[in-house]
Amino acid sequence: DADVTQTPRNRITKTGKRIMLECSQTKGHDRMYWYRQDPGLGLRLIYYSFDVKDINKGEISDGYSVSRQAQAKFSLSLESAIPNQTALYFCATSGWTSGQQETQYFGPGTRLLVL
Amino acid sequence: GNSVTQMEGPVTLSEEAFLTINCTYTATGYPSLFWYVQYPGEGLQLLLKATKADDKGSNKGFEATYRKETTSFHLEKGSVQVSDSAVYFCALSSQGGQNFVFGPGTRLSVLP
Repeated sequence: DADVTQTPRNRITKTGKRIMLECSQTKGHDRMYWYRQDPGLGLRLIYYSFDVKDINKGEISDGYSVSRQAQAKFSLSLESAIPNQTALYFCATSGWTSGQQETQYFGPGTRLLVL
Repeated sequence: GNSVTQMEGPVTLSEEAFLTINCTYTATGYPSLFWYVQYPGEGLQLLLKATKADDKGSNKGFEATYRKETTSFHLEKGSVQVSDSAVYFCALSSQGGQNFVFGPGTRLSVLP
């Protein structure tokens, strides 16, 4: 089974609708992240959480909100979707490997289309 | 702030050619450096990493050496295969992972 899972994998919605993207991880990591990927722009950080009670805005948090329901779950919401939020969304977790600086592990992504 | 710059793609090579993808960074302190690979339709996977100056990360025939004097972490492979076709991202992590920055990615296409 995958260590980081995302649901749904694909979603089509209309402008103004509220949607939620979910992420679950079985790696036991405290840190979780949400990114969006747009062609030619690489990954941009939306929100990150270092533990259940810690939520931080990333580079492009406007129009998004998050909820850390448990150590293993981190969801991303678009309160009122707009077309320029059409993108590929990735969840990631991070932890320490062999006592050294952490590595990020990514989910398979959610492809979102806002009409 | 921290940043990562990669050579622009796409890069198109014939099978068995030598690959170099350049990556340079700007960061305070002593970041860890990473290369991630994204195959079509998939998420990013860690390819290799280096955590201190002069470290060499290697995996699946790919190598990259952490060069602090030139702030670089160039990805190399001696003989690419069609299956290496993917997008490659250089990234850095500093301040205990509080600041994880990705480059824009370089698309590699390997032709048979």
